Amino acid sequence: LAKTTQPISMDSYEGQEVNITCSHNNIATNDYITWYQQFPSQGPRFIIQGYKTKVTNEVASLFIPADRKSSTLSLPRVSLSDTAVYYCLVGPYNQGGKLIFGQGTELSVKP
Amino acid sequence: ETGVTQTPRHLVMGMTNKKSLKCEQHLGHNAMYWYKQSAKKPLELMFVYSLEERVENNSVPSRFSPECPNSSHLFLHLHTLQPEDSALYLCASSQDLRTSGGFPDTQYFGPGTRLTVL
Repeated sequence: LAKTTQPISMDSYEGQEVNITCSHNNIATNDYITWYQQFPSQGPRFIIQGYKTKVTNEVASLFIPADRKSSTLSLPRVSLSDTAVYYCLVGPYNQGGKLIFGQGTELSVKP
Repeated sequence: ETGVTQTPRHLVMGMTNKKSLKCEQHLGHNAMYWYKQSAKKPLELMFVYSLEERVENNSVPSRFSPECPNSSHLFLHLHTLQPEDSALYLCASSQDLRTSGGFPDTQYFGPGTRLTVL
């Protein structure tokens, strides 16, 4: 499974757009990129998933360049409630349930 | 969200106690998981069940004993734990371990049980 590298922490202010970049230099051809969000003392929650180019849903956008060696989670106009840890995961669709969580990025949104 | 529930939410136990954590999923999924999250550490996958059959055991000590009586319920039986076992224990479920193609299966997590071993 491909190793991922993310910033340990980020700070932002309400209303700003936040971009969290994840590096995955060893991504394999059949790997997908998935992002989860975790609030304190809660389980992680699926945010978005993609394979290439751009994916957008009601919560976030995911940008994946052509070489797929990195990806960027974009949160538009964050609020205080977006303060959480964000995890980038890379793995194939047939990984048999093996989600490998790294340290994640601790995002702190300030008023 | 009430898709995956866990009880109790908090548990304090001594090293000689026996307790059990319970997880229930109301999503009609076939796969269930136990994870451990220690302070300032990434989530660690402990066990994976698919259709009530254990398919993964990530070198977890025998003082942790999982049980999956049906596809909706998952238990983690605890026996003679150590203080370093104190952590947040998370249960998750997914439709299946493998999809026929396309995106990896999304896992849905419960709120966790905060375990403290004295």
